Amino acid sequence: DAGVTQSPTHLIKTRGQQVTLRCSPISGHKSVSWYQQVLGQGPQFIFQYYEKEERGRGNFPDRFSARQFPNYSSELNVNALLLGDSALYLCASSLWGALSGNTIYFGEGSWLTVV
Amino acid sequence: GENVEQHPSTLSVQEGDSAVIKCTYSDSASNYFPWYKQELGKRPQLIIDIRSNVGEKKDQRIAVTLNKTAKHFSLHITETQPEDSAVYFCAPLNSGGSNYKLTFGKGTLLTVNP
Repeated sequence: DAGVTQSPTHLIKTRGQQVTLRCSPISGHKSVSWYQQVLGQGPQFIFQYYEKEERGRGNFPDRFSARQFPNYSSELNVNALLLGDSALYLCASSLWGALSGNTIYFGEGSWLTVV
Repeated sequence: GENVEQHPSTLSVQEGDSAVIKCTYSDSASNYFPWYKQELGKRPQLIIDIRSNVGEKKDQRIAVTLNKTAKHFSLHITETQPEDSAVYFCAPLNSGGSNYKLTFGKGTLLTVNP
């Protein structure tokens, strides 16, 4: 689980701005998911991507978007930032899990503060 | 969607005692049941998981038990140590669903007092 890398680790943005967060999965993993963790709560699912296609989306507004690149890395974009978007954004990496329940590993996360 | 509840929300034990955290879920198709440990300011770290065809799994001081009929699984930590202090999350998953999504409980804050 040490192989999921995220950048940046910390950032501060102003309300209304846009942010891009980046993630590189563990070598060989083709699935990347994004989770938002607000202080004091459990992580909430935002997106899952597999083989560059969106496979799932959580209950988040259209201001949130993501994509996966041919090398399986991923970006999460958030537009028109609100104070409530302040959170730890976690990237998770796994092999495709259908029928096998593959383990999901998390990166260290990107701490976003919106002021 | 999946509804996940964890109990208790906080748990304080003396060093050397055992700790048990219970997780109930609603999706009967869930087939993968991990527990994550999250220390303050750190990422969730997988500590143990169990698949739906197994009732119990143990790894040193940590064990997980699964009751699919009742739709709950539990984390057992024996001989607790101060370094076990953290927030623990259960996060059941249905790997046969349209996406590979963990649904986290609200977490249990475990404090191990020396």
